[in-house]
Amino acid sequence: QVQLVESGGGVVQPGRSLRLSCAASGFTFRNYGMHWVRQAPGKGLEWVALIWYDGGKKVYADSVEGRFSISRDNSKNTLYLEMNSLRAEDAAIYFCATHVGGVPGGYLESWGRGTPVTLSS
Amino acid sequence: SYEVTQPPSVSVSPGQTASITCSGDKLGDRSVCWFQQKPGQSPVLVIYQDIKRPSGIPERFSGSSSGNTATLTISGTQAMDEADYYCQAWDSSTSVVFGGGTKLTVL
Repeated sequence: QVQLVESGGGVVQPGRSLRLSCAASGFTFRNYGMHWVRQAPGKGLEWVALIWYDGGKKVYADSVEGRFSISRDNSKNTLYLEMNSLRAEDAAIYFCATHVGGVPGGYLESWGRGTPVTLSS
Repeated sequence: SYEVTQPPSVSVSPGQTASITCSGDKLGDRSVCWFQQKPGQSPVLVIYQDIKRPSGIPERFSGSSSGNTATLTISGTQAMDEADYYCQAWDSSTSVVFGGGTKLTVL
């Protein structure tokens, strides 16, 4: 079955960088778009970014545009999120999720368990 | 930017019907999904494309959408349905937006 395993989270200082990974298995990764979604402690879900199945198009939330970069390596079945110039408000659990269907109109079908990112000086 | 609004909380008695709304301008013209999230767990898709139910999701979960409102309905609510529920729509042609979430209490 579909398995998504995020990693790379941790404690980082404001202004620094961090790269998250999402290892996918149990499905044909190269055929699916992928999302990053985050959830700050005690808060709701916030969509972060979407990458098309072939990496040919990427879209970002306004809150991370210009600081975060989503990418993928279909040969390794892995999704990435490069986070730069981190701010206190970026502290959250980061989930990766599969995209099924078209854009717009498709849906986030399967989710990983998330990896936590903590900001601390 | 586009926004969707949910009530912060909804309460229901066991066995009764719970309705959770999601409101947004002309939301009925957009595709809406619903996610269930229990404490410490990842979100789970329970409704997609307004009314469709993924395999493995109980039949008591249903969705509807019209005008400015989408609704998640849980018939015969069980204690295990107590969770946070999030609606999701598409902001523009390529951006996703989530509602603020609704805490469903079964009491």
